[in-house]
Amino acid sequence: SAVISQKPSRDICQRGTSLTIQCQVDSQVTMMFWYRQQPGQSLTLIATANQGSEATYESGFVIDKFPISRPNLTFSTLTVSNMSPEDSSIYLCSVVGDRVSGNTIYFGEGSWLTVV
Amino acid sequence: GENVEQHPSTLSVQEGDSAVIKCTYSDSASNYFPWYKQELGKRPQLIIDIRSNVGEKKDQRIAVTLNKTAKHFSLHITETQPEDSAVYFCAASMGSARQLTFGSGTQLTVLP
Repeated sequence: SAVISQKPSRDICQRGTSLTIQCQVDSQVTMMFWYRQQPGQSLTLIATANQGSEATYESGFVIDKFPISRPNLTFSTLTVSNMSPEDSSIYLCSVVGDRVSGNTIYFGEGSWLTVV
Repeated sequence: GENVEQHPSTLSVQEGDSAVIKCTYSDSASNYFPWYKQELGKRPQLIIDIRSNVGEKKDQRIAVTLNKTAKHFSLHITETQPEDSAVYFCAASMGSARQLTFGSGTQLTVLP
């Protein structure tokens, strides 16, 4: 199974500021995704982080608000820009494991953000 | 795009009883259906999954069934225990891309 490290695990942020979340995987993975889970809600896909090219965003999410980097096959960052209280959520990095794992999807521990 | 509906939103059962959670999906091209358990303050953890070429899969007290014709799949937990109490999410994805569309979640409470 893939081991995924996310930083920060928790943070309290001021309205109007930006925060970058890091996702580090212990092995090279082709597919990396970023999800958001608002309080009491389900998980929603923000974007697919593509190595060496721009991320692919889902409907309702835009690059200016959630810029994503993917410099290599083991690392990605998600920035939450110009934060408002509505951005208070858990942000989760997700990867697809290899064929040995049956292409299982794994989640990082999550980054709990509270915007005040 | 894909749409996944999950029922019920809350479920309370007595310890030892069975629990069943149902999901329907909209896109017949979906071929991978995982179930996640999320305890309070923790990340979702995969508990079982099923692919479209299989109708049923079992792992100890947990089983998942898939009806491709009706486009629905269900999670069955037998002999429930208090530690089974959590929020359960179903999800669906298609192809090799593995982007997941999640259901809305079920809060399962097992009463001792």
